[in-house]
Amino acid sequence: QKEVEQNSGPLSVPEGAIASLNCTYSDRGSQSFFWYRQYSGKSPELIMSIYSNGDKEDGRFTAQLNKASQYVSLLIRDSQPSDSATYLCAVNRGDSSYKLIFGSGTRLLVRP
Amino acid sequence: SQTIHQWPATLVQPVGSPLSLECTVEGTSNPNLYWYRQAAGRGLQLLFYSVGIGQISSEVPQNLSASRPQDRQFILSSKKLLLSDSGFYLCAWSVLGGRGEKLFFGSGTQLSVL
Repeated sequence: QKEVEQNSGPLSVPEGAIASLNCTYSDRGSQSFFWYRQYSGKSPELIMSIYSNGDKEDGRFTAQLNKASQYVSLLIRDSQPSDSATYLCAVNRGDSSYKLIFGSGTRLLVRP
Repeated sequence: SQTIHQWPATLVQPVGSPLSLECTVEGTSNPNLYWYRQAAGRGLQLLFYSVGIGQISSEVPQNLSASRPQDRQFILSSKKLLLSDSGFYLCAWSVLGGRGEKLFFGSGTQLSVL
């Protein structure tokens, strides 16, 4: 079992729709969770962090965390073509907060 | 504000040649520094991390090494490159904020070993 799992996609949504990206993790000791956006050929960019169960909203982005189910998700409302990118889920290891483990990413395509 | 510089942006090297990638951070002191590698279509693999000058931890056995000669400088090296060393290399920094790490990445180096 991979430490952080994501569906590779592509996830295709029409412009204006809600995109839902999901991530599961295996380390029950993990405390910090992050979503990064990566455009093709570019470096990842941090867009959301979440540490407690529940929802955290920032503009059009909402991160959701359920530690009991070891599940974290990212919702993008009013999706725009500029949101088309690969979204990486990252989780810190329960034994050390120095190390982030990344999923392989979900590719999102927003159709105009 | 903090910035991270990584160079070169692209590099094509023959098998067996040496490698040196450099990364520097500005605007912060005593950052944690990281080297990640991303193979085509894959996630990020942590290669090395450093919490201070001369302190290097390696995550996976490999053909690469890292050094931190100064507080805000991190270098990735190899004596002899292998084909399998090809990938997108990313330097990152963070400051431990008590609730885990927020990583901020440099622009990356696309390395092709031929």
